[in-house]
Amino acid sequence: DTEVTQTPKHLVMGMTNKKSLKCEQHMGHRAMYWYKQKAKKPPELMFVYSYEKLSINESVPSRFSPECPNSSLLNLHLHALQPEDSALYLCASSPMGGGSETQYFGPGTRLLVL
Amino acid sequence: AQSVTQLDSQVPVFEEAPVELRCNYSSSVSVYLFWYVQYPNQGLQLLLKYLSGSTLVKGINGFEAEFNKSQTSFHLRKPSVHISDTAEYFCAVSDQSTGGFKTIFGAGTRLFVKA
Repeated sequence: DTEVTQTPKHLVMGMTNKKSLKCEQHMGHRAMYWYKQKAKKPPELMFVYSYEKLSINESVPSRFSPECPNSSLLNLHLHALQPEDSALYLCASSPMGGGSETQYFGPGTRLLVL
Repeated sequence: AQSVTQLDSQVPVFEEAPVELRCNYSSSVSVYLFWYVQYPNQGLQLLLKYLSGSTLVKGINGFEAEFNKSQTSFHLRKPSVHISDTAEYFCAVSDQSTGGFKTIFGAGTRLFVKA
């Protein structure tokens, strides 16, 4: 099974809402990633978790809060977002987080902030 | 820090014609290079990657790429494209930073295959 699943597929939220994005993989991977992708742009790295510990934070605003409850799950908690945060949010995983590894991507959650 | 440049934002091509998507990377002692494809409304999928060894790398769906150290290039090629190859293609490089490795993506090339 090489699948990374993400829920929900679509999300519309107001600027005062709190919501969460969920990502799950059952490949036994120990590195998980959150990316943000704006329309017609490449994915931009937000966070990397390695062995359930946050290893890279690309200076992401605190209104985005990642969480890795266990090695199979990755959440992204959203609070007080801005309209410019509307984007496709992609989750990915890889075996250990090494530079030569293939990353396996989920289909993404398309977020619209009103 | 590593970077990649994709020289073409869009490449239109007729079905069954050959195609080359160009990618140049910033020079480094050692480099890991990747090509990912993104079909509409989907996540990214690995086409192929270069780690070391043979400079000609074969991937899925009939794609191949050649690593050229002297020209710092990693161009993607397919001898005969299909309508189903219409997608966004991203060249990427692995970059080591504090905390671990990051994947740096190029701006992307939209391949549009016409009947």
